[in-house]
Amino acid sequence: SQELEQSPQSLIVQEGKNLTINCTSSKTLYGLYWYKQKYGEGLIFLMMLQKGGEEKSHEKITAKLDEKKQQSSLHITASQPSHAGIYLCGGGSNYKLTFGKGTLLTVNP
Amino acid sequence: EAQVTQNPRYLITVTGKKLTVTCSQNMNHEYMSWYRQDPGLGLRQIYYSMNVEVTDKGDVPEGYKVSRKEKRNFPLILESPSPNQTSLYFCASSAGRQPQHFGDGTRLSIL
Repeated sequence: SQELEQSPQSLIVQEGKNLTINCTSSKTLYGLYWYKQKYGEGLIFLMMLQKGGEEKSHEKITAKLDEKKQQSSLHITASQPSHAGIYLCGGGSNYKLTFGKGTLLTVNP
Repeated sequence: EAQVTQNPRYLITVTGKKLTVTCSQNMNHEYMSWYRQDPGLGLRQIYYSMNVEVTDKGDVPEGYKVSRKEKRNFPLILESPSPNQTSLYFCASSAGRQPQHFGDGTRLSIL
């Protein structure tokens, strides 16, 4: 079965700093999804990547999928306290997803 | 407003007492799924459904049942709940090649 490993497990940054979260799959990904979760709450969809080499941006968040479709990164530029939360990568099809264990991001003002 | 609605949001119950967590979506999505989220284990899929009357096991289906009699509803049934089913549960729906929309979660405690 497919496994997704995220790193780091947790991250503490100062407001205004850039940061990167990585997601590595044991198999080629059909699709890669990034979600954000506030502790104990629902998941908010951020971005979907499907093509090797694809890169998408929304506001200060950029996600990339490598050419082999086994690694993805999420980069946040000039972090803000509103970026704090748990970031999850999910891989698979749109109805059957395997998730990484998440990266807990803390942004200190 | 497009949404996935789960009920109840919180439930404390006892071992062996059958319970149902309901999930309803108003987006006419074909696909629906149930997940559980546990510390250190992350989010794991329990069951999914690709359309009415079509369901299949996810990664951790033991102890759960589902049904999909209508497109909008996908209830999760625990026939005889046990303490190891204490968890945070999420329902999700999607269509076509679009990403899944998640509900707000149901926090279940089984004593």
